[in-house]
Amino acid sequence: GAVVSQHPSWVICKSGTSVKIECRSLDFQATTMFWYRQFPKQSLMLMATSNEGSKATYEQGVEKDKFLINHASLTLSTLTVTSAHPEDSSFYICSASFTYNSPLHFGNGTRLTVT
Amino acid sequence: DAKTTQPNSMESNEEEPVHLPCNHSTISGTDYIHWYRQLPSQGPEYVIHGLTSNVNNRMASLAIAEDRKSSTLILHRATLRDAAVYYCILRDVGYGGATNKLIFGTGTLLAVQP
Repeated sequence: GAVVSQHPSWVICKSGTSVKIECRSLDFQATTMFWYRQFPKQSLMLMATSNEGSKATYEQGVEKDKFLINHASLTLSTLTVTSAHPEDSSFYICSASFTYNSPLHFGNGTRLTVT
Repeated sequence: DAKTTQPNSMESNEEEPVHLPCNHSTISGTDYIHWYRQLPSQGPEYVIHGLTSNVNNRMASLAIAEDRKSSTLILHRATLRDAAVYYCILRDVGYGGATNKLIFGTGTLLAVQP
């Protein structure tokens, strides 16, 4: 069964609104979670590394004020897309691992469409 | 970040073995070799990972070259459900995992013919 749960699986919102995506590790504690974005027919692009209890580390070119990440507990990380625009429409995927050298488990992704 | 090189696409026939190659000539001593696969509109799924020795699990086998500059994912009997994009990724676990993020390349699109 799924070990990482992501919610919602899809969301449609209007331009200018904010959307929150949740990522939960179901049967293990994840000190670190990762957030990815994927455009059609492209590979996954790492957006940020989320560490429990500290600020997220963003990849170059990713706006931290636009993509707010909160990792308040060892089983939950959230990504908030603030003031969403149509160009933010994408497939967002989170992942987590039990330890730094164990496999990553991925959520099933969130399809965001901004109209 | 150490990079990997994979063929863009491969084809296989159902019930035949598939060998998916990956080159990682700049691999470091603390890089684990991970393989994931992704079906359309789904998150990636873990397949297998290893450091130096060959690895086997219920899904596949991973053959790692002696110099670790290349590896091969082996699906022993391809099924239609194995059609996916396969990603070979290096995960650096050095310095206690300080740089252990996974950077995806373009992967190999595997088509399985009935």
